[in-house]
Amino acid sequence: GAVVSQHPSWVICKSGTSVKIECRSLDFQATTMFWYRQFPKQSLMLMATSNEGSKATYEQGVEKDKFLINHASLTLSTLTVTSAHPEDSSFYICSASRVGETQYFGPGTRLLVL
Amino acid sequence: SQQGEEDPQALSIQEGENATMNCSYKTSINNLQWYRQNSGRGLVHLILIRSNEREKHSGRLRVTLDTSKKSSSLLITASRAADTASYFCATEDYDKIIFGKGTRLHILP
Repeated sequence: GAVVSQHPSWVICKSGTSVKIECRSLDFQATTMFWYRQFPKQSLMLMATSNEGSKATYEQGVEKDKFLINHASLTLSTLTVTSAHPEDSSFYICSASRVGETQYFGPGTRLLVL
Repeated sequence: SQQGEEDPQALSIQEGENATMNCSYKTSINNLQWYRQNSGRGLVHLILIRSNEREKHSGRLRVTLDTSKKSSSLLITASRAADTASYFCATEDYDKIIFGKGTRLHILP
């Protein structure tokens, strides 16, 4: 099956700093990538959908200026959490797909903001 | 928004017993998927059942789908300690996957 990687797998940062998380499709070209957030013991909530070369579409309630998404190539999307605060601590998971095909999920990135 | 609602939210059973989890959803679907997530890890895709299918098997997994009731069930037979995880059903809304709240399954030794 298709492989999606995320980097880093975990990150600890100070409040007020920005953190960048990378999502890569390793063996296929992903036309669309998705970013999810998961708080402890809760489900995955879709944050945004990004198509290569165009602006991301954010779900209701997700601040686009705080969660910057860049999908500059067919194999890479990045999520930058700007001015991170403790409440942004969460598990961030990306997925990637080709047109009309299923999504393949990355292993997730655990963010802890102190 | 969340489409699927799993039931129960948490389930503890003895190793070797069967575990059944249910999922209800609200809108029409093309397919429904089940995923497993071990604590603090990524998702593992278990099985996809299409709207024109009523039952599907994969190893110790059995999934049913009742589109008239907008519900699905996941049965894990002969449970093992390694089955301890959270299980999510998911439906597609156009190109988005919407996850249910999940069932936390704990297999007791």
